[in-house]
Amino acid sequence: AQSVTQLDSQVPVFEEAPVELRCNYSSSVSVYLFWYVQYPNQGLQLLLKYLSGSTLVKGINGFEAEFNKSQTSFHLRKPSVHISDTAEYFCAVSVSHGKLTFGQGTILTVHP
Amino acid sequence: DAGVIQSPRHEVTEMGQEVTLRCKPISGHNSLFWYRQTMMRGLELLIYFNNNVPIDDSGMPEDRFSAKMPNASFSTLKIQPSEPRDSAVYFCASSVELLFGEKLFFGSGTQLSVL
Repeated sequence: AQSVTQLDSQVPVFEEAPVELRCNYSSSVSVYLFWYVQYPNQGLQLLLKYLSGSTLVKGINGFEAEFNKSQTSFHLRKPSVHISDTAEYFCAVSVSHGKLTFGQGTILTVHP
Repeated sequence: DAGVIQSPRHEVTEMGQEVTLRCKPISGHNSLFWYRQTMMRGLELLIYFNNNVPIDDSGMPEDRFSAKMPNASFSTLKIQPSEPRDSAVYFCASSVELLFGEKLFFGSGTQLSVL
């Protein structure tokens, strides 16, 4: 079975600072990797996904993530955050049709 | 498109009562998923349907939980009888095709509180 570990439950940063949200996964087979964002009182929205090809994936709102197979990581980065980026971020993996396994989530809080 | 629509947004009930959560997927989407979110367990996939047929219900916690999809535009998740440990946010999501990398569209969730 596969699993996802998000190493930080909470990440506080100041506006315009860079941020990295860490994600490691475990799987015995090839995986597809995702980052979703959840704003307060809303459902999850897809930020970006890695299926194949270039290991650097760009998503919406200026976020990007890099797939590192040797380190089984898929960390999410943004060079300069905004107040509006305050939300909970979920890393997820998929190895079979329709089944996403989510990490526990990282709450990003951007302070002015 | 209005997105995935879930009702009710909030449900408060007493232990032992029947609870029914409802979901309307995005028109044209043929895969539907029910997830449960709790502080302790995070996001868990309960069941998913493809073309109205249940494909995998291994995540359904026990026989008290049941889900149906009578047509392409409607699904229900029922808990009978409900227990306090069922308190959680229940999300419905839909996607166009049942592929590895499909984009899931989530509803806003139903906050269930069982007293």
